Amino acid sequence: NAGVTQTPKFQVLKTGQSMTLQCAQDMNHEYMSWYRQDPGMGLRLIHYSVGAGITDQGEVPNGYNVSRSTTEDFPLRLLSAAPSQTSVYFCASRPPGRTYGYTFGSGTRLTVV
Amino acid sequence: DAKTTQPPSMDCAEGRAANLPCNHSTISGNEYVYWYRQIHSQGPQYIIHGLKNNETNEMASLIITEDRKSSTLILPHATLRDTAVYYCIVRVEQAGTALIFGKGTTLSVSS
Repeated sequence: NAGVTQTPKFQVLKTGQSMTLQCAQDMNHEYMSWYRQDPGMGLRLIHYSVGAGITDQGEVPNGYNVSRSTTEDFPLRLLSAAPSQTSVYFCASRPPGRTYGYTFGSGTRLTVV
Repeated sequence: DAKTTQPPSMDCAEGRAANLPCNHSTISGNEYVYWYRQIHSQGPQYIIHGLKNNETNEMASLIITEDRKSSTLILPHATLRDTAVYYCIVRVEQAGTALIFGKGTTLSVSS
């Protein structure tokens, strides 16, 4: 298993541009989440999903859209990038049930200039 | 989910046990205690979780007090590679929820 794969690893955007951060997992996990981590700060939940076709907002959803058309993929879309969205973005997944922890990807480092 | 309180930082000598405390005095009966760690900007790593019994795995031990108002994560023989931010998270295990991270404890292991 490749685990949770995030692409790209690094990205520089200009203010106002849009882009999609990709997250894919090959473990057939139903639960997936997106987090952002600003320099020196903790992780904040953006959006999450408990299965294909089901998504919900987290702590800081503004400026981001998600969709979950398949179990494997959970892309995060930045609609109109702003410098305040400069951050490291992490995707995570896990199976449902009480005995599992989340598996995190290695992150996408995004800079908006 | 119940609020947790962790010390912002701790130090530990290499080879010694690292005991990381977490206070969760408002925990309810169906909330689990989870521990994750994040090593220098990598993605967080799941360590262990428990409900009320002590738990042990290949990475660590989790000791939960009888009243469940606090817990301790124990790394029995800390190494330099255990230097990381450790997060204690208390949450109900149910569909429709996701992890919410607090500030965590920065553990520095030195030789």
